[in-house]
Amino acid sequence: DVKVTQSSRYLVKRTGEKVFLECVQDMDHENMFWYRQDPGLGLRLIYFSYDVKMKEKGDIPEGYSVSREKKERFSLILESASTNQTSMYLCASSLKTTSEAFFGQGTRLTVV
Amino acid sequence: GQNIDQPTEMTATEGAIVQINCTYQTSGFNGLFWYQQHAGEAPTFLSYNVLDGLEEKGRFSSFLSRSKGYSYLLLKELQMKDSASYLCAVATIGGFQKLVFGTGTRLLVSP
Repeated sequence: DVKVTQSSRYLVKRTGEKVFLECVQDMDHENMFWYRQDPGLGLRLIYFSYDVKMKEKGDIPEGYSVSREKKERFSLILESASTNQTSMYLCASSLKTTSEAFFGQGTRLTVV
Repeated sequence: GQNIDQPTEMTATEGAIVQINCTYQTSGFNGLFWYQQHAGEAPTFLSYNVLDGLEEKGRFSSFLSRSKGYSYLLLKELQMKDSASYLCAVATIGGFQKLVFGTGTRLLVSP
């Protein structure tokens, strides 16, 4: 069974804080993704990585950065959290883009 | 640009059949996925179509027409547990490949 694990289900952070969201997968997948999900907007791609130390911007990268130092771990960093980054964050991994993506349970982040 | 359209919400009755449509316009096409997402949970994979036609998997079927930029998910013998959001996603090509999601269709199944 593929497992994608996100470090927290719920987080509350203050405006201006640096926030780290961690994601680990156990199936040796090449691709890892970070999405945010907002009502009425669906899943929007923030960043993705197709190999260790490789990353590509998605559709909404502003205010975020990522790190992939090991194949199994993909971190999303909010450099200076703002209230408009309050959202559900979903991490996913896949063997390749045309194979199914496996999602973590999500982190509901609230920035106050 | 990328554009994927689905109805926002649908309602149906237990035991009935429902069809959820998805139209897309994307820069390149390398297949279309359907995912199911129950409230508060992660999306889970339902189907993948890359060639035209109908793929059947138990009570769920998915259809693709690449020339029309159109897909549908057909759910038969609806059960209460089918109440969920259904997400259409297109794998794009060109530059780097990525998965682009529609906004999802919330299906409510009533007794």
